[in-house]
Amino acid sequence: TAGITQAPTSQILAAGRSMTLRCTQDMRHNAMYWYRQDLGLGLRLIHYSNTAGTTGKGEVPDGYSVSRANTDDFPLTLASAVPSQTSVYFCASSGHGTLSGSEQFFGPGTRLTVL
Amino acid sequence: AQSVTQLGSHVSVSEGALVLLRCNYSSSVPPYLFWYVQYPNQGLQLLLKYTSAATLVKGINGFEAEFKKSETSFHLTKPSAHMSDAAEYFCAGWTGGGADGLTFGKGTHLIIQP
Repeated sequence: TAGITQAPTSQILAAGRSMTLRCTQDMRHNAMYWYRQDLGLGLRLIHYSNTAGTTGKGEVPDGYSVSRANTDDFPLTLASAVPSQTSVYFCASSGHGTLSGSEQFFGPGTRLTVL
Repeated sequence: AQSVTQLGSHVSVSEGALVLLRCNYSSSVPPYLFWYVQYPNQGLQLLLKYTSAATLVKGINGFEAEFKKSETSFHLTKPSAHMSDAAEYFCAGWTGGGADGLTFGKGTHLIIQP
C-alpha cells in the first residue's frame, strides 16, 4: 500500500509563477490536510478537507487554494508564488478527521523553493 | 485557541540514557494529543496518541507519554536512548472547533551522543 504520495519531490519556481502540488491517498480516508513546515516554526495548517466536495481554511491559507473533487486527491495551488512560500509542504489524511481523535498519516513532502 | 509548546528546540542525551521531551498544551477542555517523529528528509510518523482512554500511553519504538491534566503536560519518554532515535519530534494537539487540523509544537531535535 502506497499510503500518501506527493509530487513533485522538489521544485524550484520563479516568483509570480503558478504551481500545483499534487497529493493522492489510497486509504479511502475522508479527511485530508495540507501543512507547511518551516525551520523553527513546526508545521502549520494551510487548508483542510473533511470530505470530498468540502474544504476549509487553516492557520496560514493566504496565497493558497485547494479543491477536493474526489476522495483520493487533494491538490494545493499557488496562484502567484512569492519567496515567503519557500517551504516543505506535507499532505496528510485521516480516516474520520481529528474530530474523533483519528491519527493523521503524512506524505513524504514536497520541497519548494521560490526565487 | 489551542496551542502546543515544546520546551527545548534541541535535546542531547547519551546512548542508553533516559529521553525526556517536554510538551505542554493550553486548553480548557481535554484535548487529543499526539507525538510524531520525523527522520531526515522524510514525512512524519505517529509515535503515540492520547484520546482520553488512558493517561499513560505506550507507543512504538519503546516510547511512552503521560497525560497530566493538572500540569497540562504530555511529555514523551524512553528509558534508554538508541542512536536510531536521533530525529525531530513534534507534539501536536486538537480540541475541536475551528479548523479540523492539528496544532503542532515547533519541534525538538533529539541528538544522541555515543
